[in-house]
Amino acid sequence: AQSVSQHNHHVILSEAASLELGCNYSYGGTVNLFWYVQYPGQHLQLLLKYFSGDPLVKGIKGFEAEFIKSKFSFNLRKPSVQWSDTAEYFCAVNAGGGATNKLIFGTGTLLAVQP
Amino acid sequence: DTAVSQTPKYLVTQMGNDKSIKCEQNLGHDTMYWYKQDSKKFLKIMFSYNNKELIINETVPNRFSPKSPDKAHLNLHINSLELGDSAVYFCASSPTGGRAEAFFGQGTRLTVV
Repeated sequence: AQSVSQHNHHVILSEAASLELGCNYSYGGTVNLFWYVQYPGQHLQLLLKYFSGDPLVKGIKGFEAEFIKSKFSFNLRKPSVQWSDTAEYFCAVNAGGGATNKLIFGTGTLLAVQP
Repeated sequence: DTAVSQTPKYLVTQMGNDKSIKCEQNLGHDTMYWYKQDSKKFLKIMFSYNNKELIINETVPNRFSPKSPDKAHLNLHINSLELGDSAVYFCASSPTGGRAEAFFGQGTRLTVV
């Protein structure tokens, strides 16, 4: 069965610090990978996604992620975080296709950015 | 114009009651979902529908019954509510296909007392 692991459950950073959140998935076939963000009290929004091609993908708000197939990883990065980046971050994999779409989420990482 | 809308946003009810949550999407997507987010923020899929047809049912108790009257709507009815049903329930929609991102509603915070 597919699964997603996020090793950092709670990260605290100061503004302007660099961010890297880890994400590993278990699935041997072709996967589609996503990072979602959930700001306090809000719904999930897509940050970025990877399907194929360049393994370094850029998303909104200065976020990027690198797909490393050999490591089954899809880590999220941002060079300089802001207070407004405080949120819960979820990595997700979709190994389904057609009508059987199913996002499998990691347990989430709560990022707190201190001003 | 809200893409995926859920009602109500908050729901507080007593154990044993029956309640419904409604979801509507105006994105023209073929697939809709219900996800449950527990107190530890873990998100797990419950159901998915594609063009009104149930596709995924992730071993959810049969007290939970989804209904899709058309492909723009997916409602969730819960019978005999239990304390453990307290969670945030998210509706989502996506086009068909594994590369399609899912768009989420604002969530319904259900509290069973």
